[in-house]
Amino acid sequence: GQNIDQPTEMTATEGAIVQINCTYQTSGFNGLFWYQQHAGEAPTFLSYNVLDGLEEKGRFSSFLSRSKGYSYLLLKELQMKDSASYLCAALDSNYQLIWGAGTKLIIKP
Amino acid sequence: EAEVAQSPRYKITEKSQAVAFWCDPISGHATLYWYRQILGQGPELLVQFQDESVVDDSQLPKDRFSAERLKGVDSTLKIQPAELGDSAMYLCASSLGGEVGEQYFGPGTRLTVT
Repeated sequence: GQNIDQPTEMTATEGAIVQINCTYQTSGFNGLFWYQQHAGEAPTFLSYNVLDGLEEKGRFSSFLSRSKGYSYLLLKELQMKDSASYLCAALDSNYQLIWGAGTKLIIKP
Repeated sequence: EAEVAQSPRYKITEKSQAVAFWCDPISGHATLYWYRQILGQGPELLVQFQDESVVDDSQLPKDRFSAERLKGVDSTLKIQPAELGDSAMYLCASSLGGEVGEQYFGPGTRLTVT
């Protein structure tokens, strides 16, 4: 079956760095997305990786290892507004998105 | 900035009643998605349209749910009759089309079935 695993919840301190991991098992692979979702709101796009390596976008970076079925989202200089759920989603061979359950990130002052 | 529109934002209905949600995607976006999201879980795809055609409705409970996108623009998702377990956030998203595309989500409709 197809599966996405990510931690349920993480806690970090304002100003610090946090890494949210995601492992995936899909029928084929055509890329991996990260979305941010604040409570009660819709998901918003953060990043897309299809090649191995690190993609940096401001305070957020996303990494992919296709051989390991692994990705992570790295958030630097954490701000209180970064408190949200972070959803990992993999695109399978049929170009269908397989979604993880999300990681709830709690930022403490 | 163009956005996906959804209405209503909130809906409370009694079980066995009919309920309908509306979505207007970003202009020019050929692909439209309806998702259901239960609190603490990721979105679950209910139906995907490419223009007016259904591409995937394998997870849509067809005995009670229906979806249409008659002119390939806006779309309606209907539930009849609603059940207690249908309480969730219903999200609409659109993308330009093609095989790989960022999905843009609307604000969602929070459904509560009592």
